[in-house]
Amino acid sequence: DAGVTQSPTHLIKTRGQQVTLRCSPKSGHDTVSWYQQALGQGPQFIFQYYEEEERQRGNFPDRFSGHQFPNYSSELNVNALLLGDSALYLCASSFGTDGTEAFFGQGTRLTVV
Amino acid sequence: EDQVTQSPEALRLQEGESSSLNCSYTVSGLRGLFWYRQDPGKGPEFLFTLYSAGEEKEKERLKATLTKKESFLHITAPKPEDSATYLCAVQAADYKLSFGAGTTVTVRA
Repeated sequence: DAGVTQSPTHLIKTRGQQVTLRCSPKSGHDTVSWYQQALGQGPQFIFQYYEEEERQRGNFPDRFSGHQFPNYSSELNVNALLLGDSALYLCASSFGTDGTEAFFGQGTRLTVV
Repeated sequence: EDQVTQSPEALRLQEGESSSLNCSYTVSGLRGLFWYRQDPGKGPEFLFTLYSAGEEKEKERLKATLTKKESFLHITAPKPEDSATYLCAVQAADYKLSFGAGTTVTVRA
């Protein structure tokens, strides 16, 4: 059983560019949440998708947007990249929106130069 | 605003030397407290969920406990493979997860 898979694993972008990160949830899961983890910090909640709609959002600007597809996979888009957007981006999947026992992917390491 | 504070930031242990990690929290309507293990460059791995004060859960050398204001993760007779960063997270009434910064545990053989 494949767990949560994220792509790509690493990415280098230039300031001002746009980036799209992808996530496939664990089999049987229908909810995807995205987190940003800066070096030495805990993950920070960006937003959660369920039934193809954004259900919850953390304190992130509108430059961060997402999408969920009918097969429950999800994308995270970040526009107008800043140096401060450099981080590990984590996707977590769960069944339902209560977040119980969320399973995380390996993450995408984004470096903005 | 929900807050999670973990201490210490780093912990160096000798193999077999038991110790505890602390997670103190303030949250509006605690639905659950989660412990995760994270290895360098990888995503967090789920360990435990605790729902109410007094609850305890165990897994191998790890034991998690919960009070109304904090949780402890006890590591009994640790081995080098227990070296990792341990993250605590609380789930508020709105189901959002808030993480602490983690405690990095290093176990020397």
